[in-house]
Amino acid sequence: GQQVMQIPQYQHVQEGEDFTTYCNSSTTLSNIQWYKQRPGGHPVFLIQLVKSGEVKKQKRLTFQFGEAKKNSSLHITATQTTDVGTYFCAGPRSGGSNYKLTFGKGTLLTVNP
Amino acid sequence: NAGVTQTPKFRILKIGQSMTLQCAQDMNHNYMYWYRQDPGMGLKLIYYSVGAGITDKGEVPNGYNVSRSTTEDFPLRLELAAPSQTSVYFCASVRGLNTEAFFGQGTRLTVV
Repeated sequence: GQQVMQIPQYQHVQEGEDFTTYCNSSTTLSNIQWYKQRPGGHPVFLIQLVKSGEVKKQKRLTFQFGEAKKNSSLHITATQTTDVGTYFCAGPRSGGSNYKLTFGKGTLLTVNP
Repeated sequence: NAGVTQTPKFRILKIGQSMTLQCAQDMNHNYMYWYRQDPGMGLKLIYYSVGAGITDKGEVPNGYNVSRSTTEDFPLRLELAAPSQTSVYFCASVRGLNTEAFFGQGTRLTVV
């Protein structure tokens, strides 16, 4: 079945450095969603990308959806300690009445102040 | 709106015991999901439901059962707890296709 693969699994940065996580799918995605999970918390929705080549920004976060709709990236400019957490991508898969929401393994970001 | 509510928050089970993890949402969402998250790992889909009376298996359904008798509730049942089921369990709901998922606070389960 469809799987979304995320790299890297872990990333440690110094505060102020940039950070990027990548999400890849073997099949074309109808859309991709990104979530953030703070340590000890639950996943929280960040954004959804739908269109081929789409780029969206949220302050220091930039999200991209590939032209082929098989990959996506999340880039954080000038990381802060508040960015610490695990970032997940999710590739919803629908068919008939089904709507299966599966997640990548996530990228754990730690930031050294 | 309370959103998605999971109970209990923490539980310790002995091997072979059974329990039900409760999940309720008050947003009238059709789609609901159960995930487990092992330490340092991602979210693995256990079961999901696209509406009352309809459930389907996810990636790791063995050892679990679910029911969806109402739109609001989606309980997860563990019949014979095993140490491999030690994990954090998250319930999530989605209003409709291609909309965001809302997660509960999670249930941390330890089987000893």
